[in-house]
Amino acid sequence: DTAVSQTPKYLVTQMGNDKSIKCEQNLGHDTMYWYKQDSKKFLKIMFSYNNKELIINETVPNRFSPKSPDKAHLNLHINSLELGDSAVYFCASSLAGLNSNQPQHFGDGTRLSIL
Amino acid sequence: GDSVTQMEGPVTLSEEAFLTINCTYTATGYPSLFWYVQYPGEGLQLLLKATKADDKGSNKGFEATYRKETTSFHLEKGSVQVSDSAVYFCALSDHGGYQKVTFGTGTKLQVIP
Repeated sequence: DTAVSQTPKYLVTQMGNDKSIKCEQNLGHDTMYWYKQDSKKFLKIMFSYNNKELIINETVPNRFSPKSPDKAHLNLHINSLELGDSAVYFCASSLAGLNSNQPQHFGDGTRLSIL
Repeated sequence: GDSVTQMEGPVTLSEEAFLTINCTYTATGYPSLFWYVQYPGEGLQLLLKATKADDKGSNKGFEATYRKETTSFHLEKGSVQVSDSAVYFCALSDHGGYQKVTFGTGTKLQVIP
């Protein structure tokens, strides 16, 4: 009965490869997010989708491309991986829209290591 | 823009000590305020929240009061346990449109027996 699940949990790959991380939520939420957490635990928003529509697109290299096939899924594809992409990537979801007092629910993270 | 400032860690306390983690914010409107906790190897979980001035959020012995006059939302607990060891994030969510949450940099708490 996992609420926000992301796969894989660990991803170790070579520089220059292309990889994808998948996220699914079964909470019925309408908004999903991708965050990047660096080694110092700093959390940075990357993207947000509301009902499959991109609503937040922070300054992120265009090697990162989110895709939302439906409101329960938000996947992240990364092209030409670089050493600096090593981090933990978190997916989250919330009931949002114009209601900002709803908390976000996070997945357990995908630990990406670039060799 | 919105911002959240937390005290730097790590904070190391003995079991049963009193905990305060300071958090101040800047926002253009009247945001909702949150504390999230991240245990090792896990994602963030909501710990407590407050949605308007003078509201007090509480959960698991933790408390924080939304202070508009000082733009603060300090986290407190009267007696910490080893199991409270985690990273704590203060966050705000603006009311200006679709929810964008601004997180603080996180404060690592280590509780020793």
